[in-house]
Amino acid sequence: QVTLKESGPAVVKPTETLTLTCTVSGFSLSSGRMGVTWIRQPPGKALEWLAHIVMDDAKSYSPSLKNRLTISKDTSRSQVVLTMTNVDPVDTATYYCARIGSHTITTYTPIDFWGQGTLVTVSS
Amino acid sequence: DIQMTQSPSSLPASVGDRVTITCRASQTVSIFLNWYQQKPGKAPNLLIHTASSLQSGVPSRFSGSGSGTDFTLTISSLQPEDFATYYCQQSYSTPLTFGQGTKVEIK
Repeated sequence: QVTLKESGPAVVKPTETLTLTCTVSGFSLSSGRMGVTWIRQPPGKALEWLAHIVMDDAKSYSPSLKNRLTISKDTSRSQVVLTMTNVDPVDTATYYCARIGSHTITTYTPIDFWGQGTLVTVSS
Repeated sequence: DIQMTQSPSSLPASVGDRVTITCRASQTVSIFLNWYQQKPGKAPNLLIHTASSLQSGVPSRFSGSGSGTDFTLTISSLQPEDFATYYCQQSYSTPLTFGQGTKVEIK
C-alpha cells in the first residue's frame, strides 16, 4: 500500500525558509524509476508543479522557482525534503507530495498517489 | 514551457448528462496527458493516464481521448459524486504543467 505524508510548519514568516518533509511507504526511494514530486495549490487556485526527484537522484525544478527550491532525499528514512527560501505571502498554499516516476529520459509517469496536503500560510 | 488550456472553466450540468471537457497543449505532448479529479479539501485523484487509459478503480463512465495537442475527458452519465474540479496535466517534459481546471457544477 503506497502512502505519502507531508509534514512541516503551518505558518512561516516572510523572508524565512520553508522546509517540508514527505515520508513515504509502500515503494522504494532507493531503487527503480519511482520518486516524489511536490505540487502546490494556492487557496481557490490551480495546481502548480514545483519539483521532483526520481530514479537514482535526478532532480528537476520549476523554472520560475528554481533559484529558491532545493529537493533532496534520505532513503534510509524514506523521506524527501523540499526547502523554499525567502518565502512571501504569495507562497501561501496547500503543498502536496506525490509519487511520480521516470518513464523515459524526458517523459514521466502519471502522478498516481498523493499525500493529503499541508496548508502553509506565509504571514508576519 | 508547455501551456495547458482547459475549456470550459465552469460547466453547469445535471445528473445523467454527458459531459465533455477539453484540454489543449501549446505544443505536442504525444499521449503523455493525464486527467485528475479534485473535490474540495482533498488531494487530486488520478482518473485517466496516457490520454485514454482508465486508472484502476475508476468508474468506466470516465473516458479520455486525443493525442498530440488536443484531448478530451468525457463523463458518459454524470453522477452526484462527479461534481468536482477536473485538471489535465502533461507528463511529456519538464516543467510539468497543469491546466487551470474545469469546475463541474450543479445546474
